[in-house]
Amino acid sequence: AQSVTQPDIHITVSEGASLELRCNYSYGATPYLFWYVQSPGQGLQLLLKYFSGDTLVQGIKGFEAEFKRSQSSFNLRKPSVHWSDAAEYFCAVGANSNDYKLSFGAGTTVTVRA
Amino acid sequence: KAGVTQTPRYLIKTRGQQVTLSCSPISGHRSVSWYQQTPGQGLQFLFEYFSETQRNKGNFPGRFSGRQFSNSRSEMNVSTLELGDSALYLCASSFGTSNEQFFGPGTRLTVL
Repeated sequence: AQSVTQPDIHITVSEGASLELRCNYSYGATPYLFWYVQSPGQGLQLLLKYFSGDTLVQGIKGFEAEFKRSQSSFNLRKPSVHWSDAAEYFCAVGANSNDYKLSFGAGTTVTVRA
Repeated sequence: KAGVTQTPRYLIKTRGQQVTLSCSPISGHRSVSWYQQTPGQGLQFLFEYFSETQRNKGNFPGRFSGRQFSNSRSEMNVSTLELGDSALYLCASSFGTSNEQFFGPGTRLTVL
């Protein structure tokens, strides 16, 4: 079965600074990878996804992620953080396009300081 | 296009009661999945329905059940509620041809 590890529980970053959130997955074949963001009291919003092809994927809100098979990683990045990026971020993996059972990481809470 | 809607948004029940949560997917989406989110266990998959059939099920006891209607709307039911069932229950919908899922705002269930 697939699984996801997000090593960082909490990250604090200054507004305007860059942000990188780590995600490591465990799955034998090529996984389907996702990053979601959750604001307090809200549901999950899809930031970006990787199914195949170009390993650098662009998402909404200025986020991007890079799939590295050799490192089993799918790290999320943003060049310049805004205060509104403060939220909880989840990495998720699915086994294939027909696997709707997503496995989520524990999440990383991002705090943005002025 | 309207997003995924879930009703009710908040619910308070007592132990032993049962509860039904509702989810209306994005128009045109035929797959509905349910997840439970708790501080201790994180996000856990409950089950997924497609065209009124359960296609996948997570590791939850039989007290958790669901169904999907012909219009793709879905309900999940929890019987004999326990304190540990207190959670945010999230519904997600998808076209059904890929596992790109769109989530609703969730139903916050509190069991007293």
